[in-house]
Formats: sequence, structure tokens, C-alpha cells
Amino acid sequence: QQPVQSPQAVILREGEDAVINCSSSKALYSVHWYRQKHGEAPVFLMILLKGGEQKGHDKISASFNEKKQQSSLYLTASQLSYSGTYFCGTEGRNFGNEKLTFGTGTRLTIIP
Amino acid sequence: DVKVTQSSRYLVKRTGEKVFLECVQDMDHENMFWYRQDPGLGLRLIYFSYDVKMKEKGDIPEGYSVSREKKERFSLILESASTNQTSMYLCASRDPGGATEAFFGQGTRLTVV
Repeated sequence: QQPVQSPQAVILREGEDAVINCSSSKALYSVHWYRQKHGEAPVFLMILLKGGEQKGHDKISASFNEKKQQSSLYLTASQLSYSGTYFCGTEGRNFGNEKLTFGTGTRLTIIP
Repeated sequence: DVKVTQSSRYLVKRTGEKVFLECVQDMDHENMFWYRQDPGLGLRLIYFSYDVKMKEKGDIPEGYSVSREKKERFSLILESASTNQTSMYLCASRDPGGATEAFFGQGTRLTVV
């Protein structure tokens, strides 16, 4: 089953912050985050492996709450280059089951 | 530079035709995936392959089949194309073991008329 993302779409002004949420109905082994710009392939941002783990680079970070089977992506002081559609991807806890299932996507638009 | 290459960017086929979408990766990855991307529905997994000749159904396998005869190549087959299979199709590959980065191809925009 696909993880569910919220919000579906968000419009921000440059410099504002955004949070994108990802929720799964199954126990998770890992959560991935990808960004896709219009007409391009999705590009990897980060993977979170352990419950409670937080990762980030530059002004984009993420957290993983293993118990709640949820992850959140944080974009701080957004830049025009952050525009695109963000996808979370999840893997289940059954070792060897390496299906990577993606969410419904969140379209982020940054305006000057 | 790592590469996942899909054979066509755009494809137009007629209803009832047999359609082959090809994907080739040059990273020696064991895992390969086919996804379908539709507005509001995100990326939905059609099929997954974890080794040559090995495959598993994803969330929406109906109307599709796959073939993996060589490690680097993963083909998606529409046995009898229908208009509701008009979509963007994305191929991806990655190393096994879980929690590894997936690399995507540029996508094939398939229109069935």
C-alpha cells in the first residue's frame, strides 16, 4: 500500500518554511525522500533508517518516527530551487522484501 | 556517471497493441523497478525484480507483465494496451539490501489511442 503524503500541494514565498508529512499503514524499515522537477527524473535527497533518526543537509532535513510509522521533511528558508514534487518512499520491515513503495507526492511551489 | 536509460521518451500506440518499454542500467544493480506516475496518485509500483528472471508484483500489476533476462535490462510489457494505461512510466534501479538510493530513468510518456 502506498504511503500517504500531506499536504498534496503547497505554495510558499521565498524564505518561508515548509513541512511535508508521510504516513504509512505498515511497519517501516526505512523512509526515503526524493524530489522531482518538472520533466525530470526523481532525484534522491536522503534515507532515514532508524526510529527517531533525523538527517539533513543544507536547509532540508527529515525525521522518522518509527512507532508512528511517519516521517516529515522540513524545508527551511525555502529557495526558488526547492520547487518541485516531493515523494517519500518506504520499505517494509520484512528483511529481503526490498520493494520500494512511493507516496502520492507533494507539489511545492516557491514564488519570489 | 550512473545511468538508467529508458528506450523512448514519448510513445503513441493503438488500443490492443502489444507494447514493450525497455529500461537499461549500467550500475550492476540487482534490484529494478517499474512505476507508473499519474497526477494525484504519485508513483505506483507495477513490478519489482530482485534478480535475473526473478520478479514480484507491485501494487498495480494488472494488465502488465515484465521480463528480466539480463541483469542490466528490465522490460515492461503491456500485452494489449488500453486507453487507461496512458501514463508516464518510470524505471528505477538500486543495490540490494534495503535502504539504498534508487536511480531513476527519464521516463516514458505513453499515450494509447
